Amino acid sequence: GNSVTQMEGPVTLSEEAFLTINCTYTATGYPSLFWYVQYPGEGLQLLLKATKADDKGSNKGFEATYRKETTSFHLEKGSVQVSDSAVYFCALSEEGYGGSQGNLIFGKGTKLSVKP
Amino acid sequence: EPEVTQTPSHQVTQMGQEVILRCVPISNHLYFYWYRQILGQKVEFLVSFYNNEISEKSEIFDDQFSVERPDGSNFTLKIRSTKLEDSAMYFCASSNRQGNEKLFFGSGTQLSVL
Repeated sequence: GNSVTQMEGPVTLSEEAFLTINCTYTATGYPSLFWYVQYPGEGLQLLLKATKADDKGSNKGFEATYRKETTSFHLEKGSVQVSDSAVYFCALSEEGYGGSQGNLIFGKGTKLSVKP
Repeated sequence: EPEVTQTPSHQVTQMGQEVILRCVPISNHLYFYWYRQILGQKVEFLVSFYNNEISEKSEIFDDQFSVERPDGSNFTLKIRSTKLEDSAMYFCASSNRQGNEKLFFGSGTQLSVL
């Protein structure tokens, strides 16, 4: 079945360091891919998404490119801040365009801690 | 920005007891969801709900689980007879239309079954 695998955490970085959180997926068809973020005490929030191969999602300095050839959607940020400390979840939507997007398949989450 | 509200934030219960987890979705949203995350494991889809009925459910969502939208604002998840393995963080989510990829999640209810 469809699944998402993301790198185990926790990840601890110093401010202004480069961030990569790896995410790979297994899916039939043409899933949409997402990164969600959960700040302490808050719900999951959509960070960015990509709906087809080679699309790049970006938001708040974070980027991820939908790579069909490597079935990956790695999250990157060039210079992290303390305020980026959160748990990051990679997810896919089984249906792709126009289908029921609600039943997302998530990875386990990666906790990021950024030190000043 | 509007938000999804879940109560309580923490719930402790004895095995075999019934629990009701409450959610107030965003007011103009029509699609509602429950997910859960057992500690150290993945966030898992439980159920989706639209037009006062379940539209999809996972294998986890067995006869012990039920959902209800008792009025125009609340969306509840009931676990009839809790088991130890039901201990998890339960997330409610809503969206304003099917196919909308942006789900709005609540901050979760941490359920501990003793």
